[in-house]
Amino acid sequence: NAGVTQTPKFRVLKTGQSMTLLCAQDMNHEYMYWYRQDPGMGLRLIHYSVGEGTTAKGEVPDGYNVSRLKKQNFLLGLESAAPSQTSVYFCASSHRGYDGNEKLFFGSGTQLSVL
Amino acid sequence: QQQVKQSPQSLIVQKGGISIINCAYENTAFDYFPWYQQFPGKGPALLIAIRPDVSEKKEGRFTISFNKSAKQFSLHIMDSQPGDSATYFCAATQSGGYQKVTFGTGTKLQVIP
Repeated sequence: NAGVTQTPKFRVLKTGQSMTLLCAQDMNHEYMYWYRQDPGMGLRLIHYSVGEGTTAKGEVPDGYNVSRLKKQNFLLGLESAAPSQTSVYFCASSHRGYDGNEKLFFGSGTQLSVL
Repeated sequence: QQQVKQSPQSLIVQKGGISIINCAYENTAFDYFPWYQQFPGKGPALLIAIRPDVSEKKEGRFTISFNKSAKQFSLHIMDSQPGDSATYFCAATQSGGYQKVTFGTGTKLQVIP
């Protein structure tokens, strides 16, 4: 019963390096999201996807790209990492509950440090 | 533009006491208000949620109080336990094909013995 799985859990990058964060969900959810969590700022939406092959920008998309080639996977890419991207990144997926509202299921996070 | 304001930022409560976290929203189109609980090293998880057509919802020791006219809602944790120590996020969404969830900034709760 994996739910939402994120890899890696920790990563240290140097400024200018690139990397990809992988998110996989086994709940057959249509919607998937990438958030970043910073102290005092809560959870901010980076990008989201409403289905396979679709992506859209959230609140803080600059410096990030995403892809959703398969329904179960949602990738977050940093092309040229900057210290301002030091954060904890959470992937989430959602389904519509019995009350008609979306319920988010989160992964356990990726702690990224950019030096 | 912060659409959901949450307070306090941190809270220390003695075991057995009542923990109260408050949130206020601006967008009157919001019609679903969930609370998420996050333990250290874990992702947030849905704890309890309310719609604006009711003023209160209770699940065990957790209660949401909702004041539609004031555009405020709060989480009450009765008989707080050390195991409740976590960060709590209020949130708000609106109905539609895709619902964007707007989160508050979080409250770190510590329940001391």
